[in-house]
Amino acid sequence: GENVEQHPSTLSVQEGDSAVIKCTYSDSASNYFPWYKQELGKRPQLIIDIRSNVGEKKDQRIAVTLNKTAKHFSLHITETQPEDSAVYFCAPQGSTGNQFYFGTGTSLTVIP
Amino acid sequence: SAVISQKPSRDICQRGTSLTIQCQVDSQVTMMFWYRQQPGQSLTLIATANQGSEATYESGFVIDKFPISRPNLTFSTLTVSNMSPEDSSIYLCSVEGQKNTGELFFGEGSRLTVL
Repeated sequence: GENVEQHPSTLSVQEGDSAVIKCTYSDSASNYFPWYKQELGKRPQLIIDIRSNVGEKKDQRIAVTLNKTAKHFSLHITETQPEDSAVYFCAPQGSTGNQFYFGTGTSLTVIP
Repeated sequence: SAVISQKPSRDICQRGTSLTIQCQVDSQVTMMFWYRQQPGQSLTLIATANQGSEATYESGFVIDKFPISRPNLTFSTLTVSNMSPEDSSIYLCSVEGQKNTGELFFGEGSRLTVL
């Protein structure tokens, strides 16, 4: 399967600050790049995604940027709030379109 | 979107026994995915289940240990066979949304503890 890594693995920020999580992948044919949020004890849920024909996408306080040449994409959260505390996973779609491999995960803590 | 029901939500099992997890989707889907999430870890894809064909297993997972059934387009089961404490984990089933946008929807998960 695809090699998917995230950095950092843990991140603590003060409320109101920004957070950035980076995802690197190995499959150059990947063309769909989502980010999932998993709150403690709950199932993962999609929060934002981007396709390979777009470099950046924004939805209120969250944004995703894509660098296909370098094979990485990043999640940006601005004006962080305590409810942003969760584990975030990237899951670039494999080249066949039939596999979804999750990154190693980033635990974000927003300190009030 | 897709609504997925999974059961059991949790169970405590004895070493050497087997347990079958059921996953029901509220719409017809081509592929269903089974993931394992060990405590504090990421989601690892176990296999992809297609209706009418054998499941496709990822490296490190074998059919004898994790047999999967997919009798129709809305239902699948995953069995964890001959369990050991290392199988203690959350098992999640997942499907892609109706419009095949790539978004995955998950069941609530089945938390297994093997003693």
